[in-house]
Amino acid sequence: NAGVTQTPKFRILKIGQSMTLQCTQDMNHNYMYWYRQDPGMGLKLIYYSVGAGITDKGEVPNGYNVSRSTTEDFPLRLELAAPSQTSVYFCASRINTGQPQHFGDGTRLSIL
Amino acid sequence: QKEVEQNSGPLSVPEGAIASLNCTYSDRVSQSFFWYRQYSGKSPELIMSIYSNGDKEDGRFTAQLNKASQYVSLLIRDSQPSDSATYLCAVNNGNGNQFYFGTGTSLTVIP
Repeated sequence: NAGVTQTPKFRILKIGQSMTLQCTQDMNHNYMYWYRQDPGMGLKLIYYSVGAGITDKGEVPNGYNVSRSTTEDFPLRLELAAPSQTSVYFCASRINTGQPQHFGDGTRLSIL
Repeated sequence: QKEVEQNSGPLSVPEGAIASLNCTYSDRVSQSFFWYRQYSGKSPELIMSIYSNGDKEDGRFTAQLNKASQYVSLLIRDSQPSDSATYLCAVNNGNGNQFYFGTGTSLTVIP
């Protein structure tokens, strides 16, 4: 089982560039999440989805966009990258309310 | 007030000792509580889930929940150097859709 797969694993962007972080899960999970983790900090929720076609903002959504056209995929779009978006990004999924999340390996993003 | 608070540590214990990690949360209607372990440079890995007041044991790990005091803890018995990691406490919010994470407690087990 692949679980939650994130691509790319590493990326360096220039200020003002755009990119999409990919996340796919093969567990038929309804819920999917995007977090960022800065050094020494906990996980901050960017966006989440409770099912295909439904997305909602988390704690730190500014500068990001998401879509959920299928159950499997939940891409995160960065428009006009800024140095403050340098972070490690984790995608997670879970089957239903009350159940734990399962995390992907993360994408390490640097914006210079 | 932060939604979930943990002592950041670092917490150091000798090999074979009991490590005690604590977490408090602010949302009184939270129903689901989780402990994750995160090794440096890696993603969080689920260790324990707990939903009811009391203790839940799984091998060397025991999770304790007290909803009245809004407190959840993790005990690691017979600590091993491989337990050295950051431990994240996660709490489901009231409607169950979102999680709040603490900033984590760094644990070092000294051989």
